[in-house]
Amino acid sequence: QVQLQESGPGLVKPSETLSLTCSVSGGSFSSYYWSWIRQSPGKGLEWIGYFYNSGTTNYYYSPSLKSRVTISVDMSKNQFSLKVKSMTVADTAIYYCVGHVGQQMYYWGQGTLVTVSS
Amino acid sequence: DIQMTQSPSSLSASVGDRVTITCQASHDIKNYLNWYQQKSGKAPKLLIYDASNLETGVPSRFSGSGSGTVFTLTLTNMQPEDFATYYCQQYGDLPVTFGGGTKVDMK
Repeated sequence: QVQLQESGPGLVKPSETLSLTCSVSGGSFSSYYWSWIRQSPGKGLEWIGYFYNSGTTNYYYSPSLKSRVTISVDMSKNQFSLKVKSMTVADTAIYYCVGHVGQQMYYWGQGTLVTVSS
Repeated sequence: DIQMTQSPSSLSASVGDRVTITCQASHDIKNYLNWYQQKSGKAPKLLIYDASNLETGVPSRFSGSGSGTVFTLTLTNMQPEDFATYYCQQYGDLPVTFGGGTKVDMK
């Protein structure tokens, strides 16, 4: 059974960069797609981006966030990460890392609440 | 982006009721639609994929239908554990987008 666990700061100041890590157990990076999704009261569920590995690693980002977001993977540590630059109050949300087959999102982390405040 | 409009945004139901939730896509997404259930404080859980296929382990009182732009999730014989928020998700085109959710609470 694939299990995911997010880690990172719960509080970020405006204009700073958010860095989150997702630790994966029970699943191979080459077997699934891997996404970051966030959920805020104002905007509901929002897909941030995903990657998959098929020999080479391919990354896709939501156009609305692409200029501020980077997803990376460290397969040796069974981890993937999210960086969001220039955080604002509008980026306050619960951030989930997700493992999926195609676009069926089967495996979710418990989520980590990130608050943007000075 | 493909916009997903869910209705109603909330509804009240009783145990044993039949409940129908609708999701409308702004463009034709064929059957590229999933439904999720989210309980308070938990991550979403996949219920139905490809518009009408029940995920393994999900009770048969859940069903999905539709194609193109209009989709429905139906819960027959509501059970206490079914009170939750339900979301549709399209993957007909990137970016993947979700409906705004339907909160089902107890009447």
